[in-house]
Amino acid sequence: QVQLQQSGAELAKPGSSVKISCKASGYTFTSYYISWIKQTTGQGLEYIGYINTGSGGTNYNEKFKGKATLTVDKSSSTAFMQLSSLTPDDSAVYYCARPIIRGTNWFAYWGQGTLVTVSS
Amino acid sequence: DIQMTQSPSLLSASVGDRVTLSCKASQNIYKYLNWYQQKLGEAPKLLIYYTNSLQTGIPSRFSGSGSGTDYTLTISSLQPEDVATYFCQQYNSWPDTFGAGTKLELK
Repeated sequence: QVQLQQSGAELAKPGSSVKISCKASGYTFTSYYISWIKQTTGQGLEYIGYINTGSGGTNYNEKFKGKATLTVDKSSSTAFMQLSSLTPDDSAVYYCARPIIRGTNWFAYWGQGTLVTVSS
Repeated sequence: DIQMTQSPSLLSASVGDRVTLSCKASQNIYKYLNWYQQKLGEAPKLLIYYTNSLQTGIPSRFSGSGSGTDYTLTISSLQPEDVATYFCQQYNSWPDTFGAGTKLELK
């Protein structure tokens, strides 16, 4: 069965960076893009962008350019998101997600979420 | 970016009620709309894609409809396990955007 397993919660200081992982299993990793979504109580759900797991090509929501960097390691079927220059506004739960059908944004598979807390 | 407005933000209903949740887009999204259910502490769960297609394994009491800028999620007979927050998502225009959610509780 398709599973996306994310790394654990992070506590980071303002100005630092964190790198979250999303390990996929149960399907051919390079057949589906992985998207990343931010969730906060105040702003709700925000789409960060996606990575083409085959080519490594990326597409970012303008709002997250310079903030998020998406990469993949095909050898371990893992997608990563690095968040840089952290501020308290980056405190959120971050999800990776995969669509049910290639080329769609019908996100049927989600990781369990990674809580990032930015605090001094 | 396309703004998605959900209403109401909070809905109280009784078991067995027919429940209707609304999602309005700031421009025509040509039915490129999904619905998700999120229970406390869990990731969102896809219920409906492309306005009215029921995701595999989702009970048939859930249905979606709409066109243009106005979309609806209907639960035909509310069950206790439907207590959750429901989000709509448009994917007609980049970037995808989500509504703020409707929290559904039992009366």
